[in-house]
Amino acid sequence: EVQLVESGGGLVQPGGSLRLSCAVSGFTVSGNFFIWARQAPGEGLEWVSIIYAGGTTIYANPVKGRFTISRDFSKNIVYLQMNSLRFEDTAFYFCARASCRNGNCYIFDLWGRGTLVSVSS
Amino acid sequence: DIQMTQSPSSLSASVGDRVTITCRASRNIRNVNWYQHRPGEAPKLLIFFTSTLEAGVPSRFSGSGSGTDFTLTISSVQPEDCASYYCQQTFSDPITFGQGTRLQIK
Repeated sequence: EVQLVESGGGLVQPGGSLRLSCAVSGFTVSGNFFIWARQAPGEGLEWVSIIYAGGTTIYANPVKGRFTISRDFSKNIVYLQMNSLRFEDTAFYFCARASCRNGNCYIFDLWGRGTLVSVSS
Repeated sequence: DIQMTQSPSSLSASVGDRVTITCRASRNIRNVNWYQHRPGEAPKLLIFFTSTLEAGVPSRFSGSGSGTDFTLTISSVQPEDCASYYCQQTFSDPITFGQGTRLQIK
């Protein structure tokens, strides 16, 4: 079955770290690019990070320097390492696959159900 | 960054109603994508390139618009349409989403 399954969320204190995983099944991580997006309580969707098929990574300003996106082809997993966590990082985190259609490669056609990250003291 | 502003932020509709959600961009963009997110489920792509229905999406969903103003229409709301809906622009980096519209069924 083609799906994405996120894991690794939990409760962490400010300044702490978490590593989120996005397990990919039904297709391979290689040759695709992925985003991590998040939804804070009562807020809309916000993209967090992108990893392109060639390995280039981009980060949203609020997480730049603290979060790192990576992938493991052998395990078919996309990761989000989150360091120096802040209260405002509390959110559901989703991974999504990007689909390229007619030259537009930011159409996210497959999403996971998300994993909850709570930053609290 | 291009700001995407959706309206209304929430609405309530009866089964069979026609519902329209608006997304306004802070400057001209070519297209928007629309996503549906039911609580506890994975977000789902509904429409891309403003008006192209994703495979498997019911035909009661449609999209239109150009420039800065775009709409998502549900021609006859069904109980399973209870969800939040998000627009997304891909015209300019960084990609941005609207803040969402929550649709409740009466």
